[in-house]
Amino acid sequence: GDSVTQMEGPVTLSEEAFLTINCTYTATGYPSLFWYVQYPGEGLQLLLKATKADDKGSNKGFEATYRKETTSFHLEKGSVQVSDSAVYFCALIGNAGGTSYGKLTFGQGTILTVHP
Amino acid sequence: DTGVSQNPRHKITKRGQNVTFRCDPISEHNRLYWYRQTLGQGPEFLTYFQNEAQLEKSRLLSDRFSAERPKGSFSTLEIQRTEQGDSAMYLCASSLAEARGDTEAFFGQGTRLTVV
Repeated sequence: GDSVTQMEGPVTLSEEAFLTINCTYTATGYPSLFWYVQYPGEGLQLLLKATKADDKGSNKGFEATYRKETTSFHLEKGSVQVSDSAVYFCALIGNAGGTSYGKLTFGQGTILTVHP
Repeated sequence: DTGVSQNPRHKITKRGQNVTFRCDPISEHNRLYWYRQTLGQGPEFLTYFQNEAQLEKSRLLSDRFSAERPKGSFSTLEIQRTEQGDSAMYLCASSLAEARGDTEAFFGQGTRLTVV
């Protein structure tokens, strides 16, 4: 079945540092890939997405590129802020057989803490 | 629209009791999903509705779990004879599926269940 693996955390950075959170996936067909973020006390929010190979998703200074050859979708940000402290989830929607119903498969999450 | 609403936010119950959670999706959304999230893990898919029809159930959804979505609006998730292993955050999400494509899934803040 489909699966998503994220780098183990937690990740602790100083403000303005460069961020990378690794994500690799296993899926049949051509999945859509997502990063969701969960701020303290809030629900999951979509951060960015990419629906086909070589697409780059971007939002709020975060970027991730859909790499089919390495089955990866690593999240990056050039300069993190304290307000970026949250839990980040990589996820996919598989489409084996052409029908996915939008069911998300999530990674285990990476806790990011940014210090001033 | 205030987004996806879940009630209650927290529930503490004794082992063996039945509990019911409610999810009110975004009003025009025709798809509704239930996920379960345990500490340190990503959300895991439980079940999915397209309008009032329950189209997929995960193997995680034992016979003690039942979900309904009468009239294709709000949904309820009932757990009978709760066990300590049922302690988790139960998340609801909704999306709009159209011929031209699907919207992203919007998540509620979840119901945290503690079985003592």
